Amino acid sequence: KNEVEQSPQNLTAQEGEFITINCSYSVGISALHWLQQHPGGGIVSLFMLSSGKKKHGRLIATINIQEKHSSLHITASHPRDSAVYICAVRYGGSQGNLIFGKGTKLSVKP
Amino acid sequence: DTGVSQDPRHKITKRGQNVTFRCDPISEHNRLYWYRQTLGQGPEFLTYFQNEAQLEKSRLLSDRFSAERPKGSFSTLEIQRTEQGDSAMYLCASSASGTEVYRYGYTFGSGTRLTVV
Repeated sequence: KNEVEQSPQNLTAQEGEFITINCSYSVGISALHWLQQHPGGGIVSLFMLSSGKKKHGRLIATINIQEKHSSLHITASHPRDSAVYICAVRYGGSQGNLIFGKGTKLSVKP
Repeated sequence: DTGVSQDPRHKITKRGQNVTFRCDPISEHNRLYWYRQTLGQGPEFLTYFQNEAQLEKSRLLSDRFSAERPKGSFSTLEIQRTEQGDSAMYLCASSASGTEVYRYGYTFGSGTRLTVV
C-alpha cells in the first residue's frame, strides 16, 4: 500500500522559531509536493521536488530520494505561517493523481 | 487568468438530493483533478481528466458520483442521492501534462464544502 506519513501531526511554535515538518513515503516517486492549506480550504502549492533542495523566501524544502524522506523548514516563523502543511507524492506508476499525507497543523504564537 | 475556480464555495443539501459542483481550471492546463477531503484528513484522489477524457477513477468514486469535462475546459462533479458520509470538501486542481507538470506542478481551487443534513 502506498502511504505518505507526516510528522508531527500538530506543532505549536513561538514566533521566530525554526520549524521542521517531515514527510516519508514508501515507494519510488516521480515528484513530491509541499502544500499549504489555510482555514477555509484553499490549497497553495509551495514546492515541487524530485531531488535536492529548493528555497523560497523563508521556506526551504529538501528531499532525500534514497531515504524516501522530505523535510519542509520554515525559518523565522511568523503567526501568518499558521496553516496546515501537506506533503503529497506522485508515484512513478501513476498517470495523474497525487497521494496526500494527513497534514501537519502548525500554529505560530506571537 | 484567475487560477482554478470552484463553484459554489459552500453547499448545504438534504440527504437524498442531487448536487453538482463546477470547476474551471487554468485555461492552459489540459489536466483536471478532483479530490475529496474530510475533516482532519489529507485530500483523497477521486478522478482526473486529460482534455475531455476521464483517464483514471478512484474506487472512492461510487456509482452515485459522476464527473464530466465535455469540452476539455470546465468540469462538473455530480453526486446523486447524497448521503451524510458525502459531507466533505471537494477540491479541484489542474496541471499541464507531460514534462510540463514537472516544471509547473498543480494549481488548486479553493474547494466546495458540502454539508449533507
